[in-house]
Order: sequence, then structure tokens, then C-alpha cells
Amino acid sequence: AQSVTQPDIHITVSEGASLELRCNYSYGATPYLFWYVQSPGQGLQLLLKYFSGDTLVQGIKGFEAEFKRSQSSFNLRKPSVHWSDAAEYFCAVANNTNAGKSTFGDGTTLTVKP
Amino acid sequence: GAVVSQHPSRVICKSGTSVKIECRSLDFQATTMFWYRQFPKKSLMLMATSNEGSKATYEQGVEKDKFLINHASLTLSTLTVTSAHPEDSSFYICSARAMGTSGSFATQYFGPGTRLTVL
Repeated sequence: AQSVTQPDIHITVSEGASLELRCNYSYGATPYLFWYVQSPGQGLQLLLKYFSGDTLVQGIKGFEAEFKRSQSSFNLRKPSVHWSDAAEYFCAVANNTNAGKSTFGDGTTLTVKP
Repeated sequence: GAVVSQHPSRVICKSGTSVKIECRSLDFQATTMFWYRQFPKKSLMLMATSNEGSKATYEQGVEKDKFLINHASLTLSTLTVTSAHPEDSSFYICSARAMGTSGSFATQYFGPGTRLTVL
């Protein structure tokens, strides 16, 4: 069975500082990996995804993530955080079939200090 | 990008009544739609997967007679919470996925969610 672990429940960073949100997955084959962002009371917006190819993936809003198979990780990074980045971030893994369901981590709440 | 809408965005109902939530893919045909439930400060819990024209597949522990899902067209899926009770109060989110090219995996697009409060 596939699973996702986001070790950090809550992270606080200062505006302008760099950010890294951790994600570890468990899946028997090559996974499809995603990062989503959710603002309060809203649905999820896809930040980026990894299916295959280049292990460093660029997403929207200046985010990037790196797939490291040896570490079963897909950490999300941003070099300089903006106050508007404060939100809930979810990592997800899907099995690589067309009917594949996504399994989500428990999320990381990002607070940005002025 | 692809847009998925949900209606209503908020609903308050009395215990024992039924509530229907609609999920629409606005600019693409969704062969598969997913329904999730999200508790406060918690992750998304997949409730069921629905494919157009066929019965939904429910996750373990989800009562199919309580959470009725209908995926009647390639752009519309509905979730009906029957005989709602206060413990059904939650944030319900749908997502839609088109068929990928050559049968490959296609990205899910999420709706904005529906806040259900049962009094």
C-alpha cells in the first residue's frame, strides 16, 4: 500500500527566508508525486508534480521539488518565502495506473512571520 | 488550467435531512471523479471513486447507502449525504480527472470544497 509522511506538522519562517517542506513516501514502484497548497476554506491547488524524467521539478509560485529515490523523498523548496505563501501544504503519491488513487500526507501548516 | 466547481460552497441543514453536493468539470471531460472528506487540521480522506456511467467504488469504512454518488455525465458527479447527522459535518472536496493521453496518468483537479454543517 502507498503512504505519505510529512514529518513537520507546523513550520514558521520569516518572510524572505528559504523554505523546505519534507515529504517521504512509500510505494513499491515508481511513484507519481504531487505537492498541493490549500488556503483556509478552499480546495487544493496543484503546485507541481513528478511523473518521470528530471528529478528536479519546477512548479508555480516559485516552488520546486526534488525526487530522491534513494531517500524516498520529494521535498518542496522555495528560495524566498512571501507572506502570501502561508497555507497548508499537502504531499501526495499516486500509483502509476490510469485509475490510480492519490494518498495524501497529513499536511504541513506554513506560517510566515513579517 | 482545468477548472472544477462545487455547489453549494456552504450548506447548513437539519439532522435527518439529505443534502446534495454537485461537482462539475467546467472545461474538460472527467472520466473519473473522486470525493474526499477533510476534517479540521487533517488530511484528505478518500471516500469514493466514481467513473462515468458506472457505480462508484467506496473506500473501506465509507457507508455507500449514506453517501450516494452519481456520475451521470462526463462533467458532473453528485454526492448526496442521506439522513445527515451532526457527525457528518465536514468539508467535502471533489476532484476530477480526464483520461490521460494513450491511457497514461492524468492530473487531478480539485474543486473548492463544500462546507456541510448539520444541526
